[in-house]
Amino acid sequence: KAGVTQTPRYLIKTRGQQVTLSCSPISGHRSVSWYQQTPGQGLQFLFEYFSETQRNKGNFPGRFSGRQFSNSRSEMNVSTLELGDSALYLCASSPVGSNNEQFFGPGTRLTVL
Amino acid sequence: GENVEQHPSTLSVQEGDSAVIKCTYSDSASNYFPWYKQELGKGPQLIIDIRSNVGEKKDQRIAVTLNKTAKHFSLHITETQPEDSAVYFCAARYSGYSTLTFGKGTMLLVSP
Repeated sequence: KAGVTQTPRYLIKTRGQQVTLSCSPISGHRSVSWYQQTPGQGLQFLFEYFSETQRNKGNFPGRFSGRQFSNSRSEMNVSTLELGDSALYLCASSPVGSNNEQFFGPGTRLTVL
Repeated sequence: GENVEQHPSTLSVQEGDSAVIKCTYSDSASNYFPWYKQELGKGPQLIIDIRSNVGEKKDQRIAVTLNKTAKHFSLHITETQPEDSAVYFCAARYSGYSTLTFGKGTMLLVSP
């Protein structure tokens, strides 16, 4: 069974631009969670989608948003990029929203110049 | 909200030695505790997990223990090998809520 895939793997943007990251969960998994990983803050939860609905949201500004499609694929968007948004963005999928293991993709490395 | 503390931040051992990483959590409602291994350039990989109705779980050279009263859990790796070198993260989650709260990570270096 194929794992979680994320595209693109690397991205370079400049301040003020916006970016869209994509995540395809493991086949049959309906929950997708997004995390931001930085050296200083570690892994921080952004949001979770289940059956096309946002179920939980972390403590990030409204510039960070996401959505999930009927095939469970998910996208996250960051608008008006800031230097501090440079990070590894990780997507994790679960077979059901809670009480199940989360499996991570390889991440998208975003660099904001 | 939940807070997870992880120690040590770095750990160096000789091949064949044992390694122990410890985590504490703050929310007594947490009931699921996974451990992830992250190698350079890769996403975190789930290596073992434990639920609050179990005190210990083993999988070959890896074991996890949980002390609910003290709100801490530990990862034990025996007979370490150079390929065990990576960053290890502990996490906690409480029932009915899917979000994982992670520790800051432990960089484990196993020298041949």
